Amino acid sequence: SQTIHQWPATLVQPVGSPLSLECTVEGTSNPNLYWYRQAAGRGLQLLFYSVGIGQISSEVPQNLSASRPQDRQFILSSKKLLLSDSGFYLCAWRQGASDTQYFGPGTRLTVL
Amino acid sequence: GQQVMQIPQYQHVQEGEDFTTYCNSSTTLSNIQWYKQRPGGHPVFLIQLVKSGEVKKQKRLTFQFGEAKKNSSLHITATQTTDVGTYFCAGPANSGYALNFGKGTSLLVTP
Repeated sequence: SQTIHQWPATLVQPVGSPLSLECTVEGTSNPNLYWYRQAAGRGLQLLFYSVGIGQISSEVPQNLSASRPQDRQFILSSKKLLLSDSGFYLCAWRQGASDTQYFGPGTRLTVL
Repeated sequence: GQQVMQIPQYQHVQEGEDFTTYCNSSTTLSNIQWYKQRPGGHPVFLIQLVKSGEVKKQKRLTFQFGEAKKNSSLHITATQTTDVGTYFCAGPANSGYALNFGKGTSLLVTP
């Protein structure tokens, strides 16, 4: 069966510090991968998605970047965090032609 | 652009009361999906509807897809405290790779 991992689970970072969040999927190959951000009590904002290694589509221009160095690994990064980067970061995957997405447990980021 | 709108934003019910959330798309959808996010958790896929007028049930949950495939609803009969959470609908985006999520309906059930 497929599983999706995200780490860390929680993170507190100072403004201006770098960020690296990692997401990995097991039990599948060539998945589509997604990064979302959810502000407290709000909806899901799609940040990036990837349909293959090295292929990144950005949905919202901002202080973040994404990379996919391996088939089942998706990384979200920032060189300098802003206060507004605080939120709940969710990674998701989907397989093939199905539209259904499966979410990881998420990372709660607080920027102080 | 394509938008998916959900109402209400919040709903507070007494345990045992019914609950309904509505989802409307600005364009015809090939399918619509529903997800549930418990407080502090991540969204979990509930169901996908594909056919015009389709109705699916999961225990006390009834999902409907409109005849025009532009709207959908989720109805919960006799809510329980375990139903607490935010319910999202989502439709395929024009890109074919992403989903457009509604902003969600947060359900609070008090015993």
